[in-house]
Amino acid sequence: SQTIHQWPATLVQPVGSPLSLECTVEGTSNPNLYWYRQAAGRGLQLLFYSVGIGQISSEVPQNLSASRPQDRQFILSSKKLLLSDSGFYLCAWTPPNSGNTIYFGEGSWLTVV
Amino acid sequence: AQKVTQAQTEISVVEKEDVTLDCVYETRDTTYYLFWYKQPPSGELVFLIRRNSFDEQNEISGRYSWNFQKSTSSFNFTITASQVVDSAVYFCALSEERSGAGSYQLTFGKGTKLSVIP
Repeated sequence: SQTIHQWPATLVQPVGSPLSLECTVEGTSNPNLYWYRQAAGRGLQLLFYSVGIGQISSEVPQNLSASRPQDRQFILSSKKLLLSDSGFYLCAWTPPNSGNTIYFGEGSWLTVV
Repeated sequence: AQKVTQAQTEISVVEKEDVTLDCVYETRDTTYYLFWYKQPPSGELVFLIRRNSFDEQNEISGRYSWNFQKSTSSFNFTITASQVVDSAVYFCALSEERSGAGSYQLTFGKGTKLSVIP
């Protein structure tokens, strides 16, 4: 069966420090992968999506970047965190070329202090 | 561009009452998918249901039921005999294929926070 994992679950980082959140999907090949952010207002915002290795599309200009070094690995990064980067980050996946259900990871709570 | 509106920001009900969460969507596509997700206090988004645009049959799953009406672009969610464990934020979402990208994008509503009071 397919599963998705992301880590770390919680982290507190100082302003200006780097960030790396990782996400992996198991049990499937060539998934579409997504990073969403949920800020304090509860709304979910799509940050990045990827349809294949090295293929990243950014939805909003920001202080973050994403990479997909392997088929089932998706990484969210920042070189220098801002206070406004605080929030709940969710990785998600869906089978390729379909409208099938999008499944979410457990989420990562990021607090920038 | 697609849009999902959940007009109810917060709802409080007493346990065992029925409650309906509203969802209205906008899309120009003829093929699309609608979803409901539950987000308990732990934060993880839990998938509840997916409905494609060609299937307007209502669905019932235990105490949960969904009413999809294309004529009004609505996909409402009803919980019958609510329980305290139903307390969560519920999100309605719309999925459309991004033109030429081969991927489907989810657009979420802002969510409805449901509190079930014992």
